[in-house]
Amino acid sequence: DAGVTQSPTHLIKTRGQQVTLRCSPISGHKSVSWYQQVLGQGPQFIFQYYEKEERGRGNFPDRFSARQFPNYSSELNVNALLLGDSALYLCASSLGVGRAYEQYFGPGTRLTVT
Amino acid sequence: AQTVTQSQPEMSVQEAETVTLSCTYDTSESDYYLFWYKQPPSRQMILVIRQEAYKQQNATENRFSVNFQKAAKSFSLKISDSQLGDAAMYFCAYGRRDDKIIFGKGTRLHILP
Repeated sequence: DAGVTQSPTHLIKTRGQQVTLRCSPISGHKSVSWYQQVLGQGPQFIFQYYEKEERGRGNFPDRFSARQFPNYSSELNVNALLLGDSALYLCASSLGVGRAYEQYFGPGTRLTVT
Repeated sequence: AQTVTQSQPEMSVQEAETVTLSCTYDTSESDYYLFWYKQPPSRQMILVIRQEAYKQQNATENRFSVNFQKAAKSFSLKISDSQLGDAAMYFCAYGRRDDKIIFGKGTRLHILP
């Protein structure tokens, strides 16, 4: 079975631009979480979605938003990019609420903001 | 708030030897999970081992085992018979059934041939 997939693999944006990152969960998984991993740090939680509804939000500004589609795939949007948004963005999927301890991670999208 | 602390930014071990990575955490909850994740240069976050807090028995997965000390809030990872493929960043993490995973800052493990 395919694991969690993310696209694109990496991209470069300019300050002030907007970016959309995509994630497809493992088949049968209904929950998607997003994490930001700045170089040299551990991942930090951004959002969790389940059945198209936001179930959790980390300490990130409103420039960060996400949504989940009927097929359980998800998009993370970041507006008005700052240099500090440069990071590896990880998506993780799990079966659903109550199973957050069984999260499987995708390979990540490396975002560079110049 | 829950926190996870890894006090060893880097460690090195000779191939075939044993190494222990340290981790402490803080929580007021009684029902939670602890994890060790491996992140090689490929960036893929791979679950190495998971421990359920209510289980007293330490988790083991082949060459990987943990020493879970709940009262001391300590959760160390022991890698036996280290192999070159074990070289990676290792993250200790904490999670609950319905919540996000909280990661430490990581320990970079070097394997010396």
